[in-house]
Amino acid sequence: EPEVTQTPSHQVTQMGQEVILRCVPISNHLYFYWYRQILGQKVEFLVSFYNNEISEKSEIFDDQFSVERPDGSNFTLKIRSTKLEDSAMYFCASSGDQAYQNYNEQFFGPGTRLTVL
Amino acid sequence: GQQVMQIPQYQHVQEGEDFTTYCNSSTTLSNIQWYKQRPGGHPVFLIQLVKSGEVKKQKRLTFQFGEAKKNSSLHITATQTTDVGTYFCAGRLRLTGGGNKLTFGTGTQLKVEL
Repeated sequence: EPEVTQTPSHQVTQMGQEVILRCVPISNHLYFYWYRQILGQKVEFLVSFYNNEISEKSEIFDDQFSVERPDGSNFTLKIRSTKLEDSAMYFCASSGDQAYQNYNEQFFGPGTRLTVL
Repeated sequence: GQQVMQIPQYQHVQEGEDFTTYCNSSTTLSNIQWYKQRPGGHPVFLIQLVKSGEVKKQKRLTFQFGEAKKNSSLHITATQTTDVGTYFCAGRLRLTGGGNKLTFGTGTQLKVEL
């Protein structure tokens, strides 16, 4: 069964450093998302991406965040200058296959745990 | 901004007891989805409700969408240890032109004891 994959599974970084989190969405999906989940809390929407551009973003997704789909298969989230409060699990998700089956069901990847020291 | 609250925050039940989690949105929703997250895992889609008053069943799980499309519930009959996890509702706002932002609820963590 197709699945969303994410790398790395765990990233440790120093405050102020840049990190890039990588995701490979399900191949025939059209919509891509990033969410974050601080330990023990709810899942928070960051950004959605469609047709090679951001379609929606939350107030969390400020200028230090950016997303890119560099090569038609990968979908990346870059945090330019990490802060302690960026420590969280970051989930990538995709939805909306071209046959429009289960169009709104979002498939989540296993997540990348980001620890900022 | 939009808020989606769930109650209770935690629920401990004995295996075989029923369980219900309630989801309330501060704004009218276009549709609502339910996800389950096992401990240490990622959210997994369970179901989507679209119509006012809609009721859907999946084996022991019953999902309802309120008439005003601002609340929803998930009821599990005769819980099993495999039901352990956190259940999140996730609402999509009724936006002109659509929109794909899901606002997740605060979640209900279910523990099932033998």
